[in-house]
Amino acid sequence: GAVVSQHPSWVICKSGTSVKIECRSLDFQATTMFWYRQFPKQSLMLMATSNEGSKATYEQGVEKDKFLINHASLTLSTLTVTSAHPEDSSFYICSARARRGNSYGYTFGSGTRLTVV
Amino acid sequence: AQTVTQSQPEMSVQEAETVTLSCTYDTSESDYYLFWYKQPPSRQMILVIRQEAYKQQNATENRFSVNFQKAAKSFSLKISDSQLGDAAMYFCAYISSNTGKLIFGQGTTLQVKP
Repeated sequence: GAVVSQHPSWVICKSGTSVKIECRSLDFQATTMFWYRQFPKQSLMLMATSNEGSKATYEQGVEKDKFLINHASLTLSTLTVTSAHPEDSSFYICSARARRGNSYGYTFGSGTRLTVV
Repeated sequence: AQTVTQSQPEMSVQEAETVTLSCTYDTSESDYYLFWYKQPPSRQMILVIRQEAYKQQNATENRFSVNFQKAAKSFSLKISDSQLGDAAMYFCAYISSNTGKLIFGQGTTLQVKP
């Protein structure tokens, strides 16, 4: 089945530094990838949609200059948290949609736990 | 805008018993897809079951089945013969055919008692 690999699984960084999270589709081409943020015991909140070869579309309230998304190929999307602050600490999850369309839903990465100290 | 509502923050069930998780949604679209995802303590999102809105027949996957009431915009999940491994947070989700965005409900934490 479709597999999405997300790295790193956890990261601790100092306040003011940048962190990059990678999301790779291993056995299919992902035209669209989505990035979510999840706080403990809460739902997944969509941050942005990345389409291969074009600019990401951000949800309302998400700072595009802080959360940089790049989808340079059909198998890789990256989320860079720039100038991270403690309030950016959260669980970030990527998901990918294969070319088969909406009916098959999405495949999710295993998530990245970011802690900013 | 589409919304998904799960009104049960927590549910519990005895092992081997049956439990139903509720979900309602709001949309003006006629073409869409509905899903139930499971998130165990590992936090890996796992697809449990999916339903196409144009299909009247309720989807079934082994011990998991849904009750899809399109007119009422209701999409509940029934888990039969509950197992300890079913303990997790369950999310109801909606995909718009127009936007392709996956929208989640608030989630329901299911506890399975031995």
